[in-house]
Amino acid sequence: AQKITQTQPGMFVQEKEAVTLDCTYDTSDPSYGLFWYKQPSSGEMIFLIYQGSYDQQNATEGRYSLNFQKARKSANLVISASQLGDSAMYFCAMREPGYSSASKIIFGSGTRLSIRP
Amino acid sequence: DGGITQSPKYLFRKEGQNVTLSCEQNLNHDAMYWYRQDPGQGLRLIYYSQIVNDFQKGDIAEGYSVSREKKESFPLTVTSAQKNPTAFYLCASSPDREGSPLHFGNGTRLTVT
Repeated sequence: AQKITQTQPGMFVQEKEAVTLDCTYDTSDPSYGLFWYKQPSSGEMIFLIYQGSYDQQNATEGRYSLNFQKARKSANLVISASQLGDSAMYFCAMREPGYSSASKIIFGSGTRLSIRP
Repeated sequence: DGGITQSPKYLFRKEGQNVTLSCEQNLNHDAMYWYRQDPGQGLRLIYYSQIVNDFQKGDIAEGYSVSREKKESFPLTVTSAQKNPTAFYLCASSPDREGSPLHFGNGTRLTVT
């Protein structure tokens, strides 16, 4: 069954340091996609980065990179040079294609990241 | 500007009443989704739909119903059978292609007393 696990409920990091947010997943479908979203206290959901199961290289978007280890079924988000504005909830999500319906997209329980000045 | 509109932002109801949350998108996306979020927790999938008049139950569909009569609209009804309806509800849409992220509305915060 499709499952996403984020084991870090909360993290504190010093400003300008790098931080890694963990995400492991489980699926029996060989074709899937992994997403990371940021949710500030305002509640909006902000898309950060995407990794497809067949992508050979790890995805990067500015200060965000995804450490994709397919054999270990992990897709950790790395934020380099953290900023105060990075303080938020972060969610990992997985998409399984729907062969006769819409793709099913589920989310992990999230990690609350707090950046210390 | 294209986007997803959820209304209202805050909704208050008495226990035992059904309530319908609105979700409209003008992005021409095929797939639409409803999620529930409880304080400090993740998003849980309620229902999702690929096309008009077709939708699938998510992981927590009990006590909820949806309709998809138009491509642009995917309203969610929280019925009186939902035991703990107070939550933050997020609607999202997607072209449902590989690599396409979900686009979210700003959410509706439902309080049932």
